[in-house]
Amino acid sequence: DVQLVESGGRLVQPGGSLRLSCAASGFSFSSYEMNWVRQAPGKGLEWLSYISSTSRTIYYADSVKGRFTISRDNAKNSLYLQMNSLRAEDTALYYCARDSDSTPFDYWGRGTLVTVSS
Amino acid sequence: EIMMTQSPATLSVSPGERVTLSCRASQSIYGKLAWYQQKPGQAPRLLIYAASTRATGIPARFSGSGSGTEFTLTISSLQSVDFAVYYCQQYSIWERTFGQGTKLEIK
Repeated sequence: DVQLVESGGRLVQPGGSLRLSCAASGFSFSSYEMNWVRQAPGKGLEWLSYISSTSRTIYYADSVKGRFTISRDNAKNSLYLQMNSLRAEDTALYYCARDSDSTPFDYWGRGTLVTVSS
Repeated sequence: EIMMTQSPATLSVSPGERVTLSCRASQSIYGKLAWYQQKPGQAPRLLIYAASTRATGIPARFSGSGSGTEFTLTISSLQSVDFAVYYCQQYSIWERTFGQGTKLEIK
């Protein structure tokens, strides 16, 4: 079965940094594009970042560009999100989601909670 | 940026009713439209992609249609398990924007 498991979320102070991980299993990770999506408490879904299967192509939403960095390690079947200069408005549940040209966001993890507060 | 607008924000319906949710894109997205269902405490689940293709395991009561900038998700006969928030998403460009969601409530 396809599984995506996020980790790394915790309470962090404004201006701090955090690295989220997404461990993939049950499919050929290196063949799929991946994304990070977040959801602030009680709010809707916000797409954050995309990475191609080879890491050659990367995109970011304007809200995180310059602060967040997406990466992947296909040998470890893992996706990452390095988050710097965190703000209160970055408080959210962060999901990773599998993507492909034919089928977008067909599998999601359960999310990891990031809380930015002093 | 392509903006996605869903309507209505909330819909109160009774089980067994037929319901149609709308999603409008700010420019043509060439059919690259997906619908997701999210229940409280759960991750979103892909229902429909390419505007009208049901994802694996999705019941036939869910159907999608539309083209250009106007899209709809129809649930033919609402069941209790269908009360949730529904999001549309465009994936025609690299910035995979979501709509703000439509919440289906029990009347």
